Amino acid sequence: GAVVSQHPSRVICKSGTSVKIECRSLDFQATTMFWYRQFPKQSLMLMATSNEGSKATYEQGVEKDKFLINHASLTLSTLTVTSAHPEDSSFYICSARGAGPEAFFGQGTRLTVV
Amino acid sequence: AQKITQTQPGMFVQEKEAVTLDCTYDTSDQSYGLFWYKQPSSGEMIFLIYQGSYDEQNATEGRYSLNFQKARKSANLVISASQLGDSAMYFCAMREGSSNRLAFGKGNQVVVIP
Repeated sequence: GAVVSQHPSRVICKSGTSVKIECRSLDFQATTMFWYRQFPKQSLMLMATSNEGSKATYEQGVEKDKFLINHASLTLSTLTVTSAHPEDSSFYICSARGAGPEAFFGQGTRLTVV
Repeated sequence: AQKITQTQPGMFVQEKEAVTLDCTYDTSDQSYGLFWYKQPSSGEMIFLIYQGSYDEQNATEGRYSLNFQKARKSANLVISASQLGDSAMYFCAMREGSSNRLAFGKGNQVVVIP
């Protein structure tokens, strides 16, 4: 399958700081990228959908000013958690979709806010 | 209403045996896609198999096959000849119509024992 690279895989940050997570499609052009959050032993919760060059569409209940998404090119999307707090600690994972029906996922980022 | 239902409790499977993971879905769309993903303890989501609603044959990918029963709205995953590395959470997902969004089930935990 296609390769999606997500960095960093783990990050620890201080409360009040911002953290940027990158998601890159390495061998295909991603027309659409998705950001999910996953709590322990639970399923994936879609946070937002982004298309290259346009504003992200956020799911209900997700603060767009808190979780800034930029999809600047067909191979890169970033999620910035602004003014992070301990309750933002979670596993964040991106996926990317090209021309086909499949969506391929990155490795995920485990964020810990202390 | 839940779009994807995965209700089996955690499963223990003997190495080299086959295992079937149940997935039922709910949609009124005629066009939809069904997906299975594997999530090992490392967290990455690995795409396994895809079945389109108009596909007449059951999808197969190596040791993975999808038992697609459209009238019953079920899309069970069959893993043949289980290996220790198959121990993971398995998620069933659906994309409806022209939507880009994937709806995920709660997942099935599989542990393969030697």
